[in-house]
Amino acid sequence: RKEVEQDPGPFNVPEGATVAFNCTYSNSASQSFFWYRQDCRKEPKLLMSVYSSGNEDGRFTAQLNRASQYISLLIRDSKLSDSATYLCVVNPSASKIIFGSGTRLSIRP
Amino acid sequence: DTEVTQTPKHLVMGMTNKKSLKCEQHMGHRAMYWYKQKAKKPPELMFVYSYEKLSINESVPSRFSPECPNSSLLNLHLHALQPEDSALYLCASSPSDRVYTEAFFGQGTRLTVV
Repeated sequence: RKEVEQDPGPFNVPEGATVAFNCTYSNSASQSFFWYRQDCRKEPKLLMSVYSSGNEDGRFTAQLNRASQYISLLIRDSKLSDSATYLCVVNPSASKIIFGSGTRLSIRP
Repeated sequence: DTEVTQTPKHLVMGMTNKKSLKCEQHMGHRAMYWYKQKAKKPPELMFVYSYEKLSINESVPSRFSPECPNSSLLNLHLHALQPEDSALYLCASSPSDRVYTEAFFGQGTRLTVV
């Protein structure tokens, strides 16, 4: 079983739609969780950290479910500029940062 | 300054060449990472340096040789690479490998082995 698993998509949704991604992780000792965004031929950039209490940043909401070992990302009122690959990232230990396979999102006009 | 700077941005090398990739950060971060990313795949961890010491080597072939001359610099020395080593090589840093926190990535070096 992979350490971090994501639905690869692609998700192709109209502008203004709400879209949600999930990610599961295998190491129950994992302490921190992040969503990164990667545009084509660019480096990954931090989108948001994921906290146990859930957190929101504008149109983006991240949730963590430790019991079921998954994290989620919800994007509301999607924009064309949200088209990218979204990478789930987990720290199974302080030294390691492990990426999920990424979910491709394409927003159409 | 929240930048991780990588040079060169692009590199084409022959299988008999020796080259080096460079990474620099001035955020005072004490953990630095090398990742390899193939097209349409996620970044794969290669090496982790913590406080200038190699702490993780993810069974990377010896034709890749990392070096951390000081707390701001990370190099990846390349020798006798294969065409399948062509990829985007990403450097990242984080405040410490003892603190669970996000990593900041450089723009990467796009390497082509011919």
